[in-house]
Amino acid sequence: KQEVTQIPAALSVPEGENLVLNCSFTDSAIYNLQWFRQDPGKGLTSLLLIQSSQREQTSGRLNASLDKSSGRSTLYIAASQPGDSATYLCAVNSNYQLIWGAGTKLIIKP
Amino acid sequence: DARVTQTPRDKVTEMGQEVTMRCQPILGHNTVFWYRQTMMQGLELLAYFRNRAPLDDSGMPKDRFSAEMPDATLATLKIQPSEPRDSAVYFCASGLALGGAFYNEQFFGPGTRLTVL
Repeated sequence: KQEVTQIPAALSVPEGENLVLNCSFTDSAIYNLQWFRQDPGKGLTSLLLIQSSQREQTSGRLNASLDKSSGRSTLYIAASQPGDSATYLCAVNSNYQLIWGAGTKLIIKP
Repeated sequence: DARVTQTPRDKVTEMGQEVTMRCQPILGHNTVFWYRQTMMQGLELLAYFRNRAPLDDSGMPKDRFSAEMPDATLATLKIQPSEPRDSAVYFCASGLALGGAFYNEQFFGPGTRLTVL
């Protein structure tokens, strides 16, 4: 059974720092991995989708990597801003079903 | 700007009442997912439709939950009768499946926050 873990559960850093969020999964037989952002009381915004054949994806200040063999993905945020404060969730696609991590709550201090 | 829409955004009801949540997927998408999010359980898949046919609803309590797609532009999730433990945020997502498996992004609606008293 696929299990997804996100570390750390919470992270608070000063504005301007580069940071890395981690996601690990137990079964490497995945189709893709998706990173989402969730603001308090709001829905989920898709940030990046990495197919199983890819190693990384980039969008603006965000870079996500995937190492399927080791069951790990990282989300790198460059030059963090207060507007980046949110909960970041990773979800692994095993066929159609997304298996979710519990999220990392990120606070960027001005 | 194509997006998934959900109504209502908030619903407060009393135990035993029927609740219907609606979702309009992105035009052209052929897959629809219903998820539930709670503090304790996180995000859980309730049901999955492709081309309006339910492919998996194993995550739903069958005795009280039902999900349908009357047409390609509307998905519904119904709870009857509702219970306090059903209090959660219910998300709808849509995507485009090509071929047998689903490889693509899922786009989420804003959610319906349900409170059952």
